[in-house]
Amino acid sequence: AQSVSQHNHHVILSEAASLELGCNYSYGGTVNLFWYVQYPGQHLQLLLKYFSGDPLVKGIKGFEAEFIKSKFSFNLRKPSVQWSDTAEYFCAVKSSGDKLTFGTGTRLAVRP
Amino acid sequence: NAGVTQTPKFQVLKTGQSMTLQCAQDMNHNSMYWYRQDPGMGLRLIYYSASEGTTDKGEVPNGYNVSRLNKREFSLRLESAAPSQTSVYFCASSELPGSGNTIYFGEGSWLTVV
Repeated sequence: AQSVSQHNHHVILSEAASLELGCNYSYGGTVNLFWYVQYPGQHLQLLLKYFSGDPLVKGIKGFEAEFIKSKFSFNLRKPSVQWSDTAEYFCAVKSSGDKLTFGTGTRLAVRP
Repeated sequence: NAGVTQTPKFQVLKTGQSMTLQCAQDMNHNSMYWYRQDPGMGLRLIYYSASEGTTDKGEVPNGYNVSRLNKREFSLRLESAAPSQTSVYFCASSELPGSGNTIYFGEGSWLTVV
């Protein structure tokens, strides 16, 4: 069965700091990878996704993620965070069938 | 442009009571899902429906039943609520089963079982 690990549970940054959130998955076959964001009190929204092609994908709000197949990783990055990026971030993987498996999430707090 | 709509948004139940969470999507999607979100555990799939007339168990189906009423609607029923079912429930949908299409989420239903 596929699984997703997010090793950072809580991250606190100051505005303008750089962000990198780790995501590793366990599945040997072809995968589709996603990052979702959940702002306080809201539903999940798609940040970016990787299906194939260029392993560096760019999403909304200046976020990007790099798929490294050899490391089974799909880390999320942003060069300079803003207070409005305070949210919970979820990595997810879809492989066989139609199930989307989520990591446990990373809570990001950005200090103004 | 509603997307995925869930009702109710908030509900408090007593142990043993039953209730149904309703979900509808207006994007003509084939696949629909029910997830629950608990602190420190991310989102876990309860049930999903790859197409109208089919349903399959996810990771945590015990204590729940689902109905795919038609292509638009996918309901989740708790027959005898337990405190362990206190959670935030999200309905979601996507275009095609087995594809890489994005899953779109509803706004969530906060359920407390006392």
